[in-house]
Amino acid sequence: GQQLNQSPQSMFIQEGEDVSMNCTSSSIFNTWLWYKQDPGEGPVLLIALYKAGELTSNGRLTAQFGITRKDSFLNISASIPSDVGIYFCAGIPGGYQKVTFGTGTKLQVIP
Amino acid sequence: DSGVTQTPKHLITATGQRVTLRCSPRSGDLSVYWYQQSLDQGLQFLIQYYNGEERAKGNILERFSAQQFPDLHSELNLSSLELGDSALYFCASSEGSNYNEQFFGPGTRLTVL
Repeated sequence: GQQLNQSPQSMFIQEGEDVSMNCTSSSIFNTWLWYKQDPGEGPVLLIALYKAGELTSNGRLTAQFGITRKDSFLNISASIPSDVGIYFCAGIPGGYQKVTFGTGTKLQVIP
Repeated sequence: DSGVTQTPKHLITATGQRVTLRCSPRSGDLSVYWYQQSLDQGLQFLIQYYNGEERAKGNILERFSAQQFPDLHSELNLSSLELGDSALYFCASSEGSNYNEQFFGPGTRLTVL
């Protein structure tokens, strides 16, 4: 099935560092969603973006809807050990069209 | 806790068998979505039901089927199971019929031996 390309695939960072990850597509999306999945759990919605150029924050997390509508970015500031997990982006073309999930970025935080 | 419940949490079965996975959406949510997550395929959308009716189909095999009942709970039926069907199966729900802001359940881990 179709998937969005996320990068990096995985990353190890020191506690306290900032983290950036992105998601790119060849298709245009009208909605971008960012999820976090802890081991053995279902994905949890972090941030939803609905407009090109939109910048939205949720605590230490900030996500942006790319101007071209073909990409999105997630930043985590001052990482902490509980940030460990897999981060997924998801794009929705519009209306009632199906959601497409990214390939995931696995984040490991070294205390 | 997302409010979405799934049972069972784990399921181990043999090839050729049939299993049923169950999902109860959050209170008030009319849409239920099913996803398959395997190591090599990521999170794949299977099917969506809205208020009892099939709304959208994704990469769902013909051996798989689903339904949503009047009380809005949903079941995913997997038959003629193959080794490659081993995966995590997630149910998600949302208030409306579009995909925004879905809430995921804890998943059912299916192992086919």
